[in-house]
Amino acid sequence: KNEVEQSPQNLTAQEGEFITINCSYSVGISALHWLQQHPGGGIVSLFMLSSGKKKHGRLIATINIQEKHSSLHITASHPRDSAVYICAVNTGANSKLTFGKGITLSVRP
Amino acid sequence: DVKVTQSSRYLVKRTGEKVFLECVQDMDHENMFWYRQDPGLGLRLIYFSYDVKMKEKGDIPEGYSVSREKKERFSLILESASTNQTSMYLCASTLRGRTQPQHFGDGTRLSIL
Repeated sequence: KNEVEQSPQNLTAQEGEFITINCSYSVGISALHWLQQHPGGGIVSLFMLSSGKKKHGRLIATINIQEKHSSLHITASHPRDSAVYICAVNTGANSKLTFGKGITLSVRP
Repeated sequence: DVKVTQSSRYLVKRTGEKVFLECVQDMDHENMFWYRQDPGLGLRLIYFSYDVKMKEKGDIPEGYSVSREKKERFSLILESASTNQTSMYLCASTLRGRTQPQHFGDGTRLSIL
């Protein structure tokens, strides 16, 4: 079993829809990261959080430490949100990350 | 903004060649990482470095080595390239500390023929 699980594996949405992407982990962590990768592109860090909730534009990330679960929400989705969304966690004494396999999101116009 | 620059976006090499992938960051970060990304497997850590001349093996170091002679530059070396090393390679850097955001380069898509 992977230490970081993401669901669903693939997701298709219609433009304007509210989207939720989930991440569960099985180990103790010091922080959780949400990353975005557009097709053919590099990876961009969206959020790093260790408790509560963070918001940036139309994106909201939440984490529940007790339940070992995080969600990434996209409000008013747009085709430019189509990307792979990767959840990763810091588990050790350094900044190494353990990654989920990522979720491919397609937003149709 | 932090800039992490990888020397090539696309690279084609032959089996048995020695291959160098270069990564440079401009924000004086202590930590640097090399990953490979494969469909269905996600990102896997090959090596990381937490200081000049310091390195630590990641999850899949076999067939690879690294060099960090200067703080801003971290090189990944495929000693004798094989077809199973065809992959997307990504470099990243962070400041020292347990929880720091990682800054990624654009990746190098390497094909070994």
